[in-house]
Amino acid sequence: ILNVEQSPQSLHVQEGDSTNFTCSFPSSNFYALHWYRWETAKSPEALFVMTLNGDEKKKGRISATLNTKEGYSYLYIKGSQPEDSATYLCAFITGGFKTIFGAGTRLFVKA
Amino acid sequence: DVKVTQSSRYLVKRTGEKVFLECVQDMDHENMFWYRQDPGLGLRLIYFSYDVKMKEKGDIPEGYSVSREKKERFSLILESASTNQTSMYLCASSSRGLETQYFGPGTRLLVL
Repeated sequence: ILNVEQSPQSLHVQEGDSTNFTCSFPSSNFYALHWYRWETAKSPEALFVMTLNGDEKKKGRISATLNTKEGYSYLYIKGSQPEDSATYLCAFITGGFKTIFGAGTRLFVKA
Repeated sequence: DVKVTQSSRYLVKRTGEKVFLECVQDMDHENMFWYRQDPGLGLRLIYFSYDVKMKEKGDIPEGYSVSREKKERFSLILESASTNQTSMYLCASSSRGLETQYFGPGTRLLVL
């Protein structure tokens, strides 16, 4: 059974704090890893598509790294803002084109 | 911008009723997906379709069926709703090649 785990399950930070969380996935049969942000009352939106070992992607204050050999990806948020409050989902896509989502990390940023 | 719409945001149904959830995308995407999301669990794939009239079972297809008669529309059917099907249902679409999935706003279904 393919398992994608995200940690922590939830996170409370103060405005201005930097934070990071983890997505762990099987290290074999890797095709791609996607990160999504899901704000309350909205649809999940794609943040990053990562395909190569060592990939680093950045969008504003948010960045992500990928290690396919050990099976993990980190998402970093620098200087968290209240509008960053959301659930962050990772999705592991296998070589057989199966997509498995993690349960998400719920981030709360307090002003 | 890609737009994925779902027919209802909130739905309340009774046990045993037949329920239709509709999803429409406007970007000519080949792939369409139905997920359910429950607290503490990831998005779980119910069914997906990679072309008109084609469908594949996901991880939790039991109690559900789907229909894709037109490329832009993917319907999820609960033949006889049960209380354990109370959940948030999300539709998504993507182009061929497993690019980013674009999600609809979700339908929160309550089965009494």
